[in-house]
Amino acid sequence: NAGVTQTPKFRVLKTGQSMTLLCAQDMNHEYMYWYRQDPGMGLRLIHYSVGEGTTAKGEVPDGYNVSRLKKQNFLLGLESAAPSQTSVYFCASSYSRSGGPERDTQYFGPGTRLTVL
Amino acid sequence: DAKTTQPTSMDCAEGRAANLPCNHSTISGNEYVYWYRQIHSQGPQYIIHGLKNNETNEMASLIITEDRKSSTLILPHATLRDTAVYYCIVRVGKARNAGNNRKLIWGLGTSLAVNP
Repeated sequence: NAGVTQTPKFRVLKTGQSMTLLCAQDMNHEYMYWYRQDPGMGLRLIHYSVGEGTTAKGEVPDGYNVSRLKKQNFLLGLESAAPSQTSVYFCASSYSRSGGPERDTQYFGPGTRLTVL
Repeated sequence: DAKTTQPTSMDCAEGRAANLPCNHSTISGNEYVYWYRQIHSQGPQYIIHGLKNNETNEMASLIITEDRKSSTLILPHATLRDTAVYYCIVRVGKARNAGNNRKLIWGLGTSLAVNP
């Protein structure tokens, strides 16, 4: 299993440009999450999803949109990038209905480093 | 959700036990204690979790005090690859409700340096 994968790994944008970050998981998890991590701050939840076709706002949702058209994928979109969105973005997934000893833990992807100039 | 307090940084000699403390004095009866770690430039990695009893797995041991107001993560034989930031998090209930994960408060953790 690849676990949680994220593309791209790095990206540089100019202010006002748009882009989409892709997260994919192959663990048949029900829930998926997008976080951002900035220097000197802990992880902050942007949006999350409890299942295919559903999304919800997290702590810092402004400036971002998400979609979960397929269970295994969770997309994070920036419609008009701003320098304040320069950050490292992590995707995570959790909860498999089939059970297991670690069904309640979150599994994280390797991150996407985004710079907005 | 209860907040946690961790030392900013710690050092440990390679091969020795690393004991990472965490205070969660406002923890509620239905809140679990979770530990994750983040090796430089990587995504956080789950280590262990517990409610009341001490727990052990292949990575670490978790000791929770009887009043549950604090806990200690123990890496029994630290290696250089254990150098990372360790996060102690408390969370309500089970993750069947994704809203519980929505409420996670990720602090700055403890930066553990394992020295040769």
